[in-house]
Amino acid sequence: DTGVSQDPRHKITKRGQNVTFRCDPISEHNRLYWYRQTLGQGPEFLTYFQNEAQLEKSRLLSDRFSAERPKGSFSTLEIQRTEQGDSAMYLCASSLDDGITEAFFGQGTRLTVV
Amino acid sequence: GDSVTQMEGPVTLSEEAFLTINCTYTATGYPSLFWYVQYPGEGLQLLLKATKADDKGSNKGFEATYRKETTSFHLEKGSVQVSDSAVYFCALSGGPGKLQFGAGTQVVVTP
Repeated sequence: DTGVSQDPRHKITKRGQNVTFRCDPISEHNRLYWYRQTLGQGPEFLTYFQNEAQLEKSRLLSDRFSAERPKGSFSTLEIQRTEQGDSAMYLCASSLDDGITEAFFGQGTRLTVV
Repeated sequence: GDSVTQMEGPVTLSEEAFLTINCTYTATGYPSLFWYVQYPGEGLQLLLKATKADDKGSNKGFEATYRKETTSFHLEKGSVQVSDSAVYFCALSGGPGKLQFGAGTQVVVTP
């Protein structure tokens, strides 16, 4: 399977705990994006990387959120001190940096904070 | 800021009916416009796109035309199938990597 993969697919955590999600993009894609989708809404942009550089962060990304892409390949999204409002689907996507190639999305990680 | 408004669902249709999902946008400049589809249990997939005014995107029998004068990008299909049941998202590209999505429209096609 050469698509975007995300792990885990589902995560249930208690409020206040830290969680980390992983995204493996399509291997030749140098851009990687994180989105958040809540029930009944469209995905909202969180941040994106070009290779290992994080180029833009949304104001939605509070200081409890941190994303990394240490070697320009896979990426992690960590949420510290989770709150119930963090419950959502976290989507990862990747694309080439050619201004033309579409972004391919993974199936997402569904986070439930109880 | 940029925004996308699309018609609320669910839209329920019989097989072979005509489908239209309205989408309008607000943006500075001239964004690219997209329709994404999310089938049950699957990730978002690009359905079609248009990068400039009057462009028509098409795929799998679906079409949408970039109308700058009405800031719209309505999705149409002439004869839907049960397999078209999904959630459809209209989106615009407001910058590298930044897709601005509408809230999505669920389409249910019955046999």
